Amino acid sequence: SAVISQKPSRDICQRGTSLTIQCQVDSQVTMMFWYRQQPGQSLTLIATANQGSEATYESGFVIDKFPISRPNLTFSTLTVSNMSPEDSSIYLCSVPIDREYEAFFGQGTRLTVV
Amino acid sequence: SQQGEEDPQALSIQEGENATMNCSYKTSINNLQWYRQNSGRGLVHLILIRSNEREKHSGRLRVTLDTSKKSSSLLITASRAADTASYFCAMSERDSSYKLIFGSGTRLLVRP
Repeated sequence: SAVISQKPSRDICQRGTSLTIQCQVDSQVTMMFWYRQQPGQSLTLIATANQGSEATYESGFVIDKFPISRPNLTFSTLTVSNMSPEDSSIYLCSVPIDREYEAFFGQGTRLTVV
Repeated sequence: SQQGEEDPQALSIQEGENATMNCSYKTSINNLQWYRQNSGRGLVHLILIRSNEREKHSGRLRVTLDTSKKSSSLLITASRAADTASYFCAMSERDSSYKLIFGSGTRLLVRP
């Protein structure tokens, strides 16, 4: 198992500003994932954060909007840039544990953009 | 990749009854997993079933997988009020096994 600490747990932000979300894991992991969950919806993968290289983004997500850092094997940040109300969502980080990729999740960041 | 479909979208049952949720997908998978989410918080892993398995049990949970129909079901027996949550299936795809593709989710309400 893994313990994942995600900060902040929630925030209310003004449109046009940016928010950086932090994800700290209690063990070293090769891959970290960032998901978005829009209100009442399921989870959509934003990107895979790889240590020592650029993140890999899924279709529909771009680095300029969601820059990701991965400075070491236990930490990653996701920035939501130039926010609009459509960015209001829960953002979750997760890590795969074991070779079958069972995932552990942080508690999520509930973002409201006004 | 694509999102899986789950039904029903919402389910309301009485405590003590069984709850069944279904998941369908379109691609080849390595495994299929079920997660629970309470009140829009982080997801908790419940159970994993491999593509070569047909049924798996864990406590009050029973999962079935039919790869020929590309479908899975989650049965929660003797439900409790504390089981109230959203339940998601997630597929680990054969071509990119480290990624999880989530189903649309089922909101379960267990009435005391």
